Amino acid sequence: AQSVTQLGSHVSVSEGALVLLRCNYSSSVPPYLFWYVQYPNQGLQLLLKYTSAATLVKGINGFEAEFKKSETSFHLTKPSAHMSDAAEYFCAVSDATGGFKTIFGAGTRLFVKA
Amino acid sequence: EPEVTQTPSHQVTQMGQEVILRCVPISNHLYFYWYRQILGQKVEFLVSFYNNEISEKSEIFDDQFSVERPDGSNFTLKIRSTKLEDSAMYFCASSQVGSRTDTQYFGPGTRLTVL
Repeated sequence: AQSVTQLGSHVSVSEGALVLLRCNYSSSVPPYLFWYVQYPNQGLQLLLKYTSAATLVKGINGFEAEFKKSETSFHLTKPSAHMSDAAEYFCAVSDATGGFKTIFGAGTRLFVKA
Repeated sequence: EPEVTQTPSHQVTQMGQEVILRCVPISNHLYFYWYRQILGQKVEFLVSFYNNEISEKSEIFDDQFSVERPDGSNFTLKIRSTKLEDSAMYFCASSQVGSRTDTQYFGPGTRLTVL
């Protein structure tokens, strides 16, 4: 079965600092991985996805993530945090058991300090 | 840009009442999904729907739940007799095709409060 684990339920950074949100996956087959963002009182928006092409995936709003098979990781980074990045971030993996559901991690809330 | 819409944004109901949550998926999408997020917990899959049939459902999706595509645009989730533990944010999603790599587009959610 597929699963993702997000390390840290809360991350706090200063504006302009590096953002690093950690995600590790478990999968018996090559995984397809996603990062979603949820702004307050809004739905889930896709930031980026990995589908076995390039291991470094660039997404919207300056975010990127690197797929590392040896570490079973798919960490999300942004070089310089902006106040508008404050939100909840979800790592997710696409189900490989026959259905197409998305399996989500517990989420990491990002706080950005001025 | 096309988007998934959901109504209402917030629904308050009494325990035991029936509720219907409505979604309008993106128009050329063929696969539809419902997920829920209990406050403070992770987003959980409920059901997927394709070609007017349930494709997959989780153990959460018991006989109290049903889904329907009553016309060419709406996709609904019905909870027959709500329980307190049904209080959650419910997200509808749609994807163009059914594949592991296809992006699922999520609506803004309906917050259901059961009193």
